[in-house]
Amino acid sequence: KAGVTQTPRYLIKTRGQQVTLSCSPISGHRSVSWYQQTPGQGLQFLFEYFSETQRNKGNFPGRFSGRQFSNSRSEMNVSTLELGDSALYLCASSLEVQGAEGANVLTFGAGSRLTVL
Amino acid sequence: GQNIDQPTEMTATEGAIVQINCTYQTSGFNGLFWYQQHAGEAPTFLSYNVLDGLEEKGRFSSFLSRSKGYSYLLLKELQMKDSASYLCAVGGYSTLTFGKGTMLLVSP
Repeated sequence: KAGVTQTPRYLIKTRGQQVTLSCSPISGHRSVSWYQQTPGQGLQFLFEYFSETQRNKGNFPGRFSGRQFSNSRSEMNVSTLELGDSALYLCASSLEVQGAEGANVLTFGAGSRLTVL
Repeated sequence: GQNIDQPTEMTATEGAIVQINCTYQTSGFNGLFWYQQHAGEAPTFLSYNVLDGLEEKGRFSSFLSRSKGYSYLLLKELQMKDSASYLCAVGGYSTLTFGKGTMLLVSP
């Protein structure tokens, strides 16, 4: 069973540019969450999607957006990049089936490491 | 909102037992999760508690007291490969809120 796949793994951008990151969840997982990880702040929640709908959003500016497609794949976009956006962006998926064992456990992808110069 | 506290760093010796504590204050609760993250890798799931008490999984155990907003992760028979960051997370509605992690260094 394939895990959570994130692309690209590494990328370098300059201030003002925009970036799109992609996430393919585990087959059958319908919930996809995005997190930003930095040394100072740890893992911070960005947003969560289920059946193409954003169910929850973290405390990030509107420059951060995302979407989910009908096959549960998800993308997140960051516009007008700032130096402080340099981070590891992690995608995670979960099963979300009522009563299923471990249904709410998140499985993380390897992440996309973004460097903004 | 959520507030999760755990020690920043801990050190222990190979073969020993270590307990990593986590305290939390939350407006919603849907389970307490522990993840392990090695440097440069993704977090991997270790255990979760929904009800009060102890959950044991091999060398790893996790305890929860909901009334006290307290959990701990117990690691027995420490091995060098256990050197990693351990993340405590509180489950809310469709999200997990993570603490900043405890860096555990296991020495020979």
